[in-house]
Amino acid sequence: DTGVSQNPRHKITKRGQNVTFRCDPISEHNRLYWYRQTLGQGPEFLTYFQNEAQLEKSRLLSDRFSAERPKGSFSTLEIQRTEQGDSAMYLCASSLAPRGGSVYGYTFGSGTRLTVV
Amino acid sequence: AQTVTQSQPEMSVQEAETVTLSCTYDTSESDYYLFWYKQPPSRQMILVIRQEAYKQQNATENRFSVNFQKAAKSFSLKISDSQLGDAAMYFCAVESYQLIWGAGTKLIIKP
Repeated sequence: DTGVSQNPRHKITKRGQNVTFRCDPISEHNRLYWYRQTLGQGPEFLTYFQNEAQLEKSRLLSDRFSAERPKGSFSTLEIQRTEQGDSAMYLCASSLAPRGGSVYGYTFGSGTRLTVV
Repeated sequence: AQTVTQSQPEMSVQEAETVTLSCTYDTSESDYYLFWYKQPPSRQMILVIRQEAYKQQNATENRFSVNFQKAAKSFSLKISDSQLGDAAMYFCAVESYQLIWGAGTKLIIKP
């Protein structure tokens, strides 16, 4: 297990197009999180899953955003009708519940950088 | 609502010296976790150190240690013997029901 993997690393898309990102968490971790990070800011929480159940969604997650984790393993984050304001780094993290993960905390992927032109 | 404040947008330190990054937070929860994460340029977020709020003893991890003042809701990070590889954005985060992040402090190491 090589940690949390995110694909693609970079995505450039035209405004109005749909994009989908994938996250493969650490296999033993039951929680998976999505965050958005803009330049010079800390990550903002979007949503998280415990196993296949989506337990919480931020108000930041408009109806253009949808996330799935169909088998409790990998997750996808889809953004429909992208807008320039969606340009950001999208981070995925996983942890072993209940809270704070293991003594190792949350493990982050390298992120997907989205640029909407 | 939980908030995390990092009042230092940027800090610089001479190599081999000690630097302290400040973090204050606000939460109404009694049980929570605190974290410092490091994010080097264009690289992934890495956990530096973790503290359980119910533990009075300050966490340490090699050259990294924290000064956790629960009553003051303060959680500062001390980096001893600073190295060039420590240069990064450092984020403080607090988790009770959700992980809330500060805006980060950019740490510059001067050779």
